[in-house]
Amino acid sequence: KAGVTQTPRYLIKTRGQQVTLSCSPISGHRSVSWYQQTPGQGLQFLFEYFSETQRNKGNFPGRFSGRQFSNSRSEMNVSTLELGDSALYLCASSSAGTGGETQYFGPGTRLLVL
Amino acid sequence: AQRVTQPEKLLSVFKGAPVELKCNYSYSGSPELFWYVQYSRQRLQLLLRHISRESIKGFTADLNKGETSFHLKKPFAQEEDSAMYYCALKRYKAAGNKLTFGGGTRVLVKP
Repeated sequence: KAGVTQTPRYLIKTRGQQVTLSCSPISGHRSVSWYQQTPGQGLQFLFEYFSETQRNKGNFPGRFSGRQFSNSRSEMNVSTLELGDSALYLCASSSAGTGGETQYFGPGTRLLVL
Repeated sequence: AQRVTQPEKLLSVFKGAPVELKCNYSYSGSPELFWYVQYSRQRLQLLLRHISRESIKGFTADLNKGETSFHLKKPFAQEEDSAMYYCALKRYKAAGNKLTFGGGTRVLVKP
């Protein structure tokens, strides 16, 4: 099976702009989670989608949003970008997210906000 | 709130020596604990989880609820074990995949 794919892999934006990142899960996987990774804060959970519904949410401002499509592909959007949003954004997929199954991570999208 | 602490940012050992990565957590409920590993230029991947009680690549970890710890151990480190290791926690049997990660420990195994 093909692994989790994320596009784009690298992105440069300026403050105030918005950005959309995409994640394609492993075929058959219905749960997609998003994480932000920074040197200062480490890996932090953003949100999780399952069957097109947000199931879990982390402690991020409303500028961070996401959605999931019927084919389980997911997008996350960050509006009004700030310098502190510069990070590696990882997505992970699992078959059902009922607990116990393995999450598979993508390679990440590296976002630089200037 | 749940929190995972990995006190060592860097662990340097010689090949063949034992290695132990510390992980402490604070969580009021029943936790499910994981160790994830990221080798150079590779993706983050699951190494092991406490409910499986298995040994992967020679690594073992025991959940100690009294000490709220989930230390990762390997009796004889190999050069290919050099990587970044993350301890993570989620609510046991909770639906969904909301993981809380520790800050990570970089392991360097010297020849």
